[in-house]
Amino acid sequence: DTGVSQNPRHKITKRGQNVTFRCDPISEHNRLYWYRQTLGQGPEFLTYFQNEAQLEKSRLLSDRFSAERPKGSFSTLEIQRTEQGDSAMYLCASSPGWTNEKLFFGSGTQLSVL
Amino acid sequence: KNEVEQSPQNLTAQEGEFITINCSYSVGISALHWLQQHPGGGIVSLFMLSSGKKKHGRLIATINIQEKHSSLHITASHPRDSAVYICAVLKGAQKLVFGQGTRLTINP
Repeated sequence: DTGVSQNPRHKITKRGQNVTFRCDPISEHNRLYWYRQTLGQGPEFLTYFQNEAQLEKSRLLSDRFSAERPKGSFSTLEIQRTEQGDSAMYLCASSPGWTNEKLFFGSGTQLSVL
Repeated sequence: KNEVEQSPQNLTAQEGEFITINCSYSVGISALHWLQQHPGGGIVSLFMLSSGKKKHGRLIATINIQEKHSSLHITASHPRDSAVYICAVLKGAQKLVFGQGTRLTINP
């Protein structure tokens, strides 16, 4: 197993375009998280899945953001009508699914909205 | 005021020095994570602790639940320890709240 994989590593897009990121967690990890990190700041929680169910969603996640994990394996995060303020590193993490376990992070997708 | 505060924000030291990074939080938590982030974004989980102390190699993490404070120590620091160290607390079921990070630079 190669760990948590995120694609693409970098995405440059024009304002108003839609973008989609993919996260492949460690296999058999039940929990999957999305975070957003801007330069010089710690990550901010966006949303969390337990298997295919999206159990929590941050107020940071506007209606333009949607996340799915259709079969409880990989997840996608879509941003519609991107804005310059969406420019950030989008991080995915997974964990096995019991209380207080370690998180395993992907390398992130760096989004730049021009 | 952020729920998780780290100090210092930046730390530069010479190789071999003993390093301490502090984390204070203002909310009830079920666990605390120390994470290491290298340039390029990759984050590695160093410790997850809910009480007491954990040690892994040259790294030691402690937590005082009553004082809502945790420290990360690095003994015999090395330039490869240079990274951003992030404290994150687990609120409720699964929501992690992150500190802003401490940028550590170890000079040879």
